[in-house]
This record gives sequence, C-alpha cells and structure tokens, in this order.
Amino acid sequence: DVKVTQSSRYLVKRTGEKVFLECVQDMDHENMFWYRQDPGLGLRLIYFSYDVKMKEKGDIPEGYSVSREKKERFSLILESASTNQTSMYLCASSLGAGGYYNEQFFGPGTRLTVL
Amino acid sequence: AQSVTQLGSHVSVSEGALVLLRCNYSSSVPPYLFWYVQYPNQGLQLLLKYTTGATLVKGINGFEAEFKKSETSFHLTKPSAHMSDAAEYFCAVSPSLYNAGNMLTFGGGTRLMVKP
Repeated sequence: DVKVTQSSRYLVKRTGEKVFLECVQDMDHENMFWYRQDPGLGLRLIYFSYDVKMKEKGDIPEGYSVSREKKERFSLILESASTNQTSMYLCASSLGAGGYYNEQFFGPGTRLTVL
Repeated sequence: AQSVTQLGSHVSVSEGALVLLRCNYSSSVPPYLFWYVQYPNQGLQLLLKYTTGATLVKGINGFEAEFKKSETSFHLTKPSAHMSDAAEYFCAVSPSLYNAGNMLTFGGGTRLMVKP
C-alpha cells in the first residue's frame, strides 16, 4: 500500500527558530511536493522536486527552502520561523512525468504553530 | 495555464439528501481532473479521477463525478449523504501532457456538513 509519512503531526516552535519538516515516501516516486494549507486559501504549493537534488519553486517559496538528498525523502526548512508560517503543511508524491495521470499521494500533514 | 473554481466554500445537507459539490476548471490543454477528500486532521485522499474515456467516473464511498467539456465542469455528487461524508473536498486539475513537475492545481475547497 502506498505510504507517505511526515515526521510530526503537531509541532510548536518559537519565532526565529530553524524548523525542519521531514517527509518520506516508500513508493519510489520521482516527484515530491510541499504544500501549506490555510483556511479559505486552499492548498498552496511551496516547492516541488522531480528528482534527487532538483527543486523548483512553487507559488509561495519565500521564507522556505527544501532539500532532497535521497529519492524517498524531501525536507522542508524554515530558516527563521515566523508567526505567519503557522499553518498545516502537507507533503505529497507522484510517480513521475506522465506517470499514472499525475495522481498525488498525500501524507497526514504537520500542524505547525509558531509562537 | 490552468485554474479551478469551487462554488461554495461551505455546503450543508441533511442526512440522506443529495450531495452536489461544484467544480469548474480552465485549462489550455485537455485536462486530467481529480476530487480529493480531507477528513479532520488528516491528509488528502483521492476520491476519483477523470483521465480519458467515460465521462461519468465512479469513486469510493458512493461518490461520482461527470466531466462536461462544454461546461468545463467536473461536479461531484452522491445520491444520499451519510454523516461520515462530513469533510472538506478539493477539486484539482492537471494537464494531460508531459510535465516535469506533474503539478496539480487545486480549488479552494468545499467543506461539507451533514445534518442528522
């Protein structure tokens, strides 16, 4: 069964801290994605990666960076957390270019609170 | 370029009533279309998808959706709502061409409430 896991379900951090959100998929997928979800704004793409060490900015990359050193792992980094980054963060993966009609598989989400 | 509009951020129905969640899209190429469901404090789960072929698509939990090209719509329906259907529903579109990122564009979501 396909599985995307995220390192934490709930996380509380202080302003200015460096925050790492980890995502692991066990499906040998090429593509991985990070979204944030806020009430009334739906899902907004932060970054995605279509290969190891490759990354592309999404719609709202400011204040975030990512790392993909291994195919199965995609990390989202908040270099200096701010209160406006309090949100639900969702990781997803998909098979690859033209694969399986671009269906994305999602992790359970990490609810991050920045105080 | 592509976009998705979900009419109604909140929809309330009675248990046993018809569920209709609306989705309209714009896409410069033939689209793939998806409906996802999100239960409280969980990630998104695929309900159904349209790729090619039959325009009426059946999904899990009794949901179905019809692709209407002339109306650029992909509305989600269920004949009889159940309390367990209460969740947030997202419509998404993807181009049906090679795309290195395979990105989906999501609508803003519709929260479905089911009254007893």
